[in-house]
Amino acid sequence: EPEVTQTPSHQVTQMGQEVILRCVPISNHLYFYWYRQILGQKVEFLVSFYNNEISEKSEIFDDQFSVERPDGSNFTLKIRSTKLEDSAMYFCASSRDKSFGELFFGEGSRLTVL
Amino acid sequence: KQEVTQIPAALSVPEGENLVLNCSFTDSAIYNLQWFRQDPGKGLTSLLLIQSSQREQTSGRLNASLDKSSGRSTLYIAASQPGDSATYLCAVKTSYDKVIFGPGTSLSVIP
Repeated sequence: EPEVTQTPSHQVTQMGQEVILRCVPISNHLYFYWYRQILGQKVEFLVSFYNNEISEKSEIFDDQFSVERPDGSNFTLKIRSTKLEDSAMYFCASSRDKSFGELFFGEGSRLTVL
Repeated sequence: KQEVTQIPAALSVPEGENLVLNCSFTDSAIYNLQWFRQDPGKGLTSLLLIQSSQREQTSGRLNASLDKSSGRSTLYIAASQPGDSATYLCAVKTSYDKVIFGPGTSLSVIP
């Protein structure tokens, strides 16, 4: 069964360092998303991406964050200068349909900023 | 602004019981509602998707209902098993791009 895959599963970094989280969405999906979940808190929307551009982003997704689809299969989230409060589980999701499609999530990348 | 809440926050039941998890949302203008399961430290597994025009969806021992006008959805789990122990999240799609999650119900099924 097709699935969303994410790497790395866990990354530890020093405050101020750049981090790139990678995702391979389901192959026939066209809509891609990043969500995050701080330990013990709700899953929060970060950004949606379609046709090689951002469709919508939340207030959390500031200038320190960026997304891209560099090669037609990977979908990446970059955090330029990590802060302690960026420590969270980051989930990638994809959907085949924009309005009514089911969201499929990856297993997540746990980011720990020291 | 859409707010999603879930009651109860935690639930512990003996194996074999039927149970109901509740989800409420404040704005009825939704595209769909999706129920997920999350095991500790793991990703989100989609359980059921209900479109805004539908009233319910069923998958095995799971049945989800949607009453859009009252802003409510329920997830019914029949004949609960220890393997059902997890956190259950509901999420509403409020725009083309954004899904808003509830805080989840942590379910423990005691053998």
